[in-house]
Amino acid sequence: DIEMTQSPSSLSASVGERVTFTCRASRPMSSWLNWYQQKPGEAPKLLIYGTSNLQSGVPSRFSGSGSGTEFTLTISSLLPEDFASYYCQQTYSPPHTFGQGTKLEIK
Amino acid sequence: EVQLVQSGAEVRKPGESLRISCKGSGYTFTNYWIGWVRQMPGKGLEWMGIIYPGDSDTRYSPSLQGKVTFTADRSITTAYLQWNSLRASDTAIYYCARSRGDFGNYFDYWGQGTLVTVSS
Repeated sequence: DIEMTQSPSSLSASVGERVTFTCRASRPMSSWLNWYQQKPGEAPKLLIYGTSNLQSGVPSRFSGSGSGTEFTLTISSLLPEDFASYYCQQTYSPPHTFGQGTKLEIK
Repeated sequence: EVQLVQSGAEVRKPGESLRISCKGSGYTFTNYWIGWVRQMPGKGLEWMGIIYPGDSDTRYSPSLQGKVTFTADRSITTAYLQWNSLRASDTAIYYCARSRGDFGNYFDYWGQGTLVTVSS
């Protein structure tokens, strides 16, 4: 199995800040890396697919990049509604493992 | 509008069986894989596996192989997740999600989740 490790596990930031989350794979993989946002009590929501493709309806302040074993999700300027948990997922090789998540909290 | 609507919360005792459902609408049900994702209390997301309703091809996470069963009924555009003998450790929220196959695979639409509680 490909193990996905996200860092940091939690992050405190302020509205308007730029934040970056990292997701590292246990071995090199293709660009089949997705990012999801989950708010408490809600189902996850797709943000980015295939490393850098923005899902329809997702604001452009979200962006993704990376290759090989290291991938990032960036939020260019935080809004109050962005405080949530974020998960990466690899779909290069089954099982399509998720990272353990990063919880973004308000500073 | 694509929708996945899951069945309601369930409470069972250890050893009991259970089947939860996920009804798809607003798209051609047989053309997309449906995945199942587990979220244990206070924890992250876990990929359980996927089923292709077109021919019922299934792929299970090795950690869950033999413990759960995925099925689908094309006639009523519904996918199912089934346990024959529940354990307390099966307590979790279970999500179904539609999987798209371009740019790799990704879950673009999700059900609202079904809370399963297993307790004696």
